Amino acid sequence: DVKVTQSSRYLVKRTGEKVFLECVQDMDHENMFWYRQDPGLGLRLIYFSYDVKMKEKGDIPEGYSVSREKKERFSLILESASTNQTSMYLCASSSPLRQFFGPGTRLTVL
Amino acid sequence: AQSVTQPDIHITVSEGASLELRCNYSYGATPYLFWYVQSPGQGLQLLLKYFSGDTLVQGIKGFEAEFKRSQSSFNLRKPSVHWSDAAEYFCAVGETGGNQFYFGTGTSLTVIP
Repeated sequence: DVKVTQSSRYLVKRTGEKVFLECVQDMDHENMFWYRQDPGLGLRLIYFSYDVKMKEKGDIPEGYSVSREKKERFSLILESASTNQTSMYLCASSSPLRQFFGPGTRLTVL
Repeated sequence: AQSVTQPDIHITVSEGASLELRCNYSYGATPYLFWYVQSPGQGLQLLLKYFSGDTLVQGIKGFEAEFKRSQSSFNLRKPSVHWSDAAEYFCAVGETGGNQFYFGTGTSLTVIP
C-alpha cells in the first residue's frame, strides 16, 4: 500500500523562524501536493509538483516555498514563520486519479 | 471555475440511523469524484471514488455514493451509522489530468448513542 510520511506530527516554532516540513512517498508518484487545512475552510492547495524540480503555485502560495530535489521527497518551507501560518499541513501524492495523504503536521507558531 | 460545495457544516445523527452527506460540484467536463474521511488528528482516507460507469459506487466501511449528473451531486450515504463513523468528511473533484483536486469545506459528523 502507498505510504506518505511527514517528518513531524506536531511542531512548535517562533515567529520569524525558518520552518521545513518534509514529505516522503514510496510509490514513485510524479505528483505531490501540500495543503493547508483550517476549520471551516477545508483543504487549500499551497503548492504542487508534477516532477522533480517542477512546481506550481496553488491557491495560497504566499509566505511559502517548496523544494523537490528527488522524486520521493517534497518539502514545504516557511521562510519566516508567522502566527497566521498556525495550521494543519497535509502532504499528498497521487497516481493518475487518486491522492494518498500523509498523517499531517500540526504547526503552531508562537 | 471548478468548485465543490458541502452545504452542511455539521451533522448529528443517532447511532443506527441512516446518514446522507451532501456534495455538489461545478466542473466543466466529466468529473472524477471522491469522498474522504478524516478521523481526529489523522490524514485523509479515501472512502470511495467515481470515474465512470455505474453511478452508484460502493466504498469501504459500508458507505456508498450516487453520482447524479443532472443535479451535479455526489451524495454520500450509509444505512446505519456506527459511533466510529464520527469524523470529518470531505468531498473532492479531480481534474482529468490528475494534477489538480478540489475539496469541499468538509462536514463534521457527530454520532450520539
